[in-house]
Amino acid sequence: SQQGEEDPQALSIQEGENATMNCSYKTSINNLQWYRQNSGRGLVHLILIRSNEREKHSGRLRVTLDTSKKSSSLLITASRAADTASYFCATDKGGNNDMRFGAGTRLTVKP
Amino acid sequence: NAGVTQTPKFQVLKTGQSMTLQCAQDMNHNSMYWYRQDPGMGLRLIYYSASEGTTDKGEVPNGYNVSRLNKREFSLRLESAAPSQTSVYFCASRYRGLDEQFFGPGTRLTVL
Repeated sequence: SQQGEEDPQALSIQEGENATMNCSYKTSINNLQWYRQNSGRGLVHLILIRSNEREKHSGRLRVTLDTSKKSSSLLITASRAADTASYFCATDKGGNNDMRFGAGTRLTVKP
Repeated sequence: NAGVTQTPKFQVLKTGQSMTLQCAQDMNHNSMYWYRQDPGMGLRLIYYSASEGTTDKGEVPNGYNVSRLNKREFSLRLESAAPSQTSVYFCASRYRGLDEQFFGPGTRLTVL
């Protein structure tokens, strides 16, 4: 399976600190996407990084991709209480059915 | 734009009952998906529809059927509900493969 696996499963930090989440996967991919899920809500797309990209930024988010290690990381800088959510990586191999989600990292940002 | 909408938001069924979960999108997306989310696990794909008129099985299709009614609507049917189908169900859509997916708010289903 190419399902991504996030690490850690849970992360608790203080407001203003940085949060780093990691994702590992098993097979070659076309792109990797990160999603956020607030409690009781649907997933919201955060950022997409293609297999030929190594780093991407979007506001306070920084994503890296290392295809040789089959891993990605999501960094949230200067975290806020509103960043409290679960974060999922999803690997996309191509085609319409080849997107696989990991189990997620639950981030808690304490005010 | 309403995005992706799902009905109902909550449902309680007894074992053996049937029901249909409805999903609609107004973004002119070609592909639509049904996932289930269980505690401690990521989303698992049940069925998908790459385009109007086509449907295909995902990772966990047993016990479910789908219908792509038109480009906007994609329904999921449980013919004979089982407690193992207690889960949160999400519908998603995207314009084409490799794009980001847009998710609905989910349906929380409990089967007693």
